[in-house]
Amino acid sequence: EDQVTQSPEALRLQEGESSSLNCSYTVSGLRGLFWYRQDPGKGPEFLFTLYSAGEEKEKERLKATLTKKESFLHITAPKPEDSATYLCASETGANNLFFGTGTRLTVIP
Amino acid sequence: GAGVSQSPRYKVTKRGQDVALRCDPISGHVSLYWYRQALGQGPEFLTYFNYEAQQDKSGLPNDRFSAERPEGSISTLTIQRTEQRDSAMYRCASSPLAGGPDTQYFGPGTRLTVL
Repeated sequence: EDQVTQSPEALRLQEGESSSLNCSYTVSGLRGLFWYRQDPGKGPEFLFTLYSAGEEKEKERLKATLTKKESFLHITAPKPEDSATYLCASETGANNLFFGTGTRLTVIP
Repeated sequence: GAGVSQSPRYKVTKRGQDVALRCDPISGHVSLYWYRQALGQGPEFLTYFNYEAQQDKSGLPNDRFSAERPEGSISTLTIQRTEQRDSAMYRCASSPLAGGPDTQYFGPGTRLTVL
């Protein structure tokens, strides 16, 4: 059974305190691993797609990496505006997205 | 430019009633996706369209749920004989690409409450 598990469920960081969010997946025929950011009351906003182990992508203070079993979203020197729920999702051969339950990040000034 | 819009934003209905949720994608976007999101959970895929053709409806929970996109633009998700367990946020997303879920742009959602 395909599964996407994110940890931790919630994370509180001081402004400037770097950390990583984890997304573990067990899916057959992974075609892509996606990261989204979701602010309260809003739809998920696309951040990154990773397709193969070893791939890395960066955007501002965020960097996403992928191994054969998991993906990490590294946040370097976060700011309060980075506070959001971060979702990862796998794309399977069925050409749809299977989402994890997200990590709720709070960055304290 | 205008993003994805959904209406109504909030819908409260009684158990057993039918509801229709509307999604207006970004103009020119080929693909349109429907998701359902329970409180505290990630969006769960329901179905998607390329143009007017429904490509995948494997995520629709049962035959009370249906979706259409007759002219390849606006889409309607219909839930017949609603049940309390149908209460959730229903989100629509559109993408300029056909056949791949990359770069989906999400709408604000319709919060459905079934009493």
